[in-house]
Amino acid sequence: DAKTTQPTSMDCAEGRAANLPCNHSTISGNEYVYWYRQIHSQGPQYIIHGLKNNETNEMASLIITEDRKSSTLILPHATLRDTAVYYCIVRPLSGSARQLTFGSGTQLTVLP
Amino acid sequence: DAGVIQSPRHEVTEMGQEVTLRCKPISGHNSLFWYRQTMMRGLELLIYFNNNVPIDDSGMPEDRFSAKMPNASFSTLKIQPSEPRDSAVYFCASSITGNSPLHFGNGTRLTVT
Repeated sequence: DAKTTQPTSMDCAEGRAANLPCNHSTISGNEYVYWYRQIHSQGPQYIIHGLKNNETNEMASLIITEDRKSSTLILPHATLRDTAVYYCIVRPLSGSARQLTFGSGTQLTVLP
Repeated sequence: DAGVIQSPRHEVTEMGQEVTLRCKPISGHNSLFWYRQTMMRGLELLIYFNNNVPIDDSGMPEDRFSAKMPNASFSTLKIQPSEPRDSAVYFCASSITGNSPLHFGNGTRLTVT
């Protein structure tokens, strides 16, 4: 029973913003939205997480809708090295590690 | 910061042999996780430790799998005897606490023939 829905794949031109959507319509009030990515032949890499406010760090921005039923991860200036599978995950901050469930993710391909 | 270090990067073995995968977590991290990734099943959590103590091993597929964490800087995942269906990439991850973001190693690609 998937808690998030993401497009299977997306393309983005190098230098442009990559906007990766995620639907989590059944999210609970205590659940955070986490984003990880996995570059080919590497382990997953944490990107960002948030509860309800928009968040920004050196890697990306996370925009969460007011009803919290969806979010968008934004890579402001995508590079070829951003080509990866991006996972959107919802889990309580104080929940079990088993609740950090990786689905199928979105394969983002940044095109030159 | 060297990150999470896993060894070996690749392991090829014959069915029935014992396989030991190794992991060195980031210094100061109190939680350690073992995951398995296959095309069919994606990333699955096998077991995790808090302060060297196994907390949840419900993801360990069979008794052939065992994991230990003798100290804060080392963990092993052992498969004995190995089977072809164990072929996968095994990732180790660590975090400051069980709820902090995870830092993953680059995995061990296991092939059992």
